[in-house]
Amino acid sequence: LAKTTQPISMDSYEGQEVNITCSHNNIATNDYITWYQQFPSQGPRFIIQGYKTKVTNEVASLFIPADRKSSTLSLPRVSLSDTAVYYCLLVGLGQLTFGSGTQLTVLP
Amino acid sequence: NAGVTQTPKFRILKIGQSMTLQCTQDMNHNYMYWYRQDPGMGLKLIYYSVGAGITDKGEVPNGYNVSRSTTEDFPLRLELAAPSQTSVYFCASSSAGTGNNSPLHFGNGTRLTVT
Repeated sequence: LAKTTQPISMDSYEGQEVNITCSHNNIATNDYITWYQQFPSQGPRFIIQGYKTKVTNEVASLFIPADRKSSTLSLPRVSLSDTAVYYCLLVGLGQLTFGSGTQLTVLP
Repeated sequence: NAGVTQTPKFRILKIGQSMTLQCTQDMNHNYMYWYRQDPGMGLKLIYYSVGAGITDKGEVPNGYNVSRSTTEDFPLRLELAAPSQTSVYFCASSSAGTGNNSPLHFGNGTRLTVT
């Protein structure tokens, strides 16, 4: 199974842009890069998914370089309610594997 | 739409007891999954199903069983509960198992304690 590596934790202040990078050196050709958000006592929630270049939705942007060996989730102007664990996954053939994620703490 | 519904929300079991965690979805998704999440950890896949009548093992299937008799329901069975099965269990579904535009939809979990 292709694996991902991301920082264990990050701190930010309200109003700042937050970038969380995920490494996936062994990504397969048919893998999509997907990010989920999880609040305490809730199931993970889909944020964004992409295959290459840049994807943007109303919540976040996802930047993927040409070699696809890494990706960066960008959260613009974070607020306290963005404090959560963020998971980077590779979605392709086979099982979906969640790593330990990145605990983002937004400070006032 | 209710999405993915899990019951019960909480349960305490004694060692050796059995129980079934219920999961149902109303999105007509073919793919369904069971994950467990231990405190401070990521999610580990227990079992998954690609359609009614088809199930397969995930990363940590020992001590669990599943069935998929309908598209909507995917119950998880614990036959002989052990303290190591104390965890939060999440059920999820998706329209497809691969590729674009098939994100997982999760339920709110079942918190199980085995003492």
